[in-house]
Amino acid sequence: DAGVIQSPRHEVTEMGQEVTLRCKPISGHDYLFWYRQTMMRGLELLIYFNNNVPIDDSGMPEDRFSAKMPNASFSTLKIQPSEPRDSAVYFCASSLDRGRSTDTQYFGPGTRLTVL
Amino acid sequence: DAKTTQPNSMESNEEEPVHLPCNHSTISGTDYIHWYRQLPSQGPEYVIHGLTSNVNNRMASLAIAEDRKSSTLILHRATLRDAAVYYCILRDRTTSGTYKYIFGTGTRLKVLA
Repeated sequence: DAGVIQSPRHEVTEMGQEVTLRCKPISGHDYLFWYRQTMMRGLELLIYFNNNVPIDDSGMPEDRFSAKMPNASFSTLKIQPSEPRDSAVYFCASSLDRGRSTDTQYFGPGTRLTVL
Repeated sequence: DAKTTQPNSMESNEEEPVHLPCNHSTISGTDYIHWYRQLPSQGPEYVIHGLTSNVNNRMASLAIAEDRKSSTLILHRATLRDAAVYYCILRDRTTSGTYKYIFGTGTRLKVLA
């Protein structure tokens, strides 16, 4: 398996523009997670899905952020409108069977977002 | 939120063993201890996990204290490729009943040639 795939790897945009980040989880994994990493706040969970259904979005910073998972092999994280403080590395991760205490999350390479 | 405490940084010489400590004094009886590491410019990757007994895999060993309030990740022979930030993690149960990992600041390991 190619692992978790994220695109684009780098995104530079101007304040106010819409940004869409994409993720393809590992085939067969039924949990998908979106994280954000900054120097100030470290790695934070934004939202996670189980079987394409959002389970916990308490980490989504505000209404400008939205995430969807239309099918088992694709998810998007959208920021509209983007602001400079959204600049960060965004990671997608997937796992199999989170019901147990031993779930292992597999992370993608991340998307480095810069909002000017 | 973070329920684990780790040193900010450590150094090791190449090909020597490294012991990375973690304190988790508020651990519950059912919490597994997870370790992940993040190599430069990459996403975190799983290293090892355990509940009560010491654990070994091809990457590392995990030594868990008898009272489970602390653990130590052991890299038996550090290589330059092991330079990374190492995170010791417990799952945090949210008010809505879901679980999430709380990644603290981790330990930045520097390996000297």
